Amino acid sequence: QSVLTQPPSVSGAPGQRVTISCTGSSSNIGAGYDVHWYQQLPGTAPKLLIYGHNKRPSGVPDRFSGSWSGTSASLAITGLQAEDEADYYCQSYDSSLRGSLFGGGTKLTVL
Amino acid sequence: QVHLVESGGGVVLPGRSLRLSCAASQFSFGSYAMHWVRQAPGKGLEWVTLISYDGSNKYYADSVRGRFTVSRDNSKNTLYLQMNSLRVEDTAVYFCAKEVVGYDVWSGLSYWGQGALVTVSS
Repeated sequence: QSVLTQPPSVSGAPGQRVTISCTGSSSNIGAGYDVHWYQQLPGTAPKLLIYGHNKRPSGVPDRFSGSWSGTSASLAITGLQAEDEADYYCQSYDSSLRGSLFGGGTKLTVL
Repeated sequence: QVHLVESGGGVVLPGRSLRLSCAASQFSFGSYAMHWVRQAPGKGLEWVTLISYDGSNKYYADSVRGRFTVSRDNSKNTLYLQMNSLRVEDTAVYFCAKEVVGYDVWSGLSYWGQGALVTVSS
């Protein structure tokens, strides 16, 4: 079964660096398909943070960065701020499903 | 600024149908593939369907294939989702979203609507 696995939660103190992993398989991330990352604040629509593994849309601070290796991808957030507290989702295409997949989401808590 | 507004949500009985619309503005709608993504109450995001910029290609999640149909009217800058044989587990907020790259697919979802709530309940 094709899935993208994320940790349910991560936390960090203001100013620290945190990473969120997204583990897939040979039919999605491992096949080289792009990984995208979204931030969702409570009660709002998701917002694109990273697309194409490591590209930032205009307006997204460079505190957010993406990377990819093998069957996994990661989102790194440096200089944590209280406003970063949100849910984060990865997304990729899956060739077995012939469709897109989202990870289960990771709740970031800023201590 | 890109604007996407969903409408057509509501409460519906299991087995019935509902059609969602997504009105697009402030971008060249006919140049972009569009998606529907849903989120059940308290749950994560689930990709539902994609339609190419010209409507010639459509992709569906296994959970909705054969029951849901995506379409678009580029002359009206509007995206649709026809939902038939609705089930309790289809209850969710449905978002429409725009591809990052024109004429491309799977490039990321750059803008999202505010969502429309669909509740399937007896």
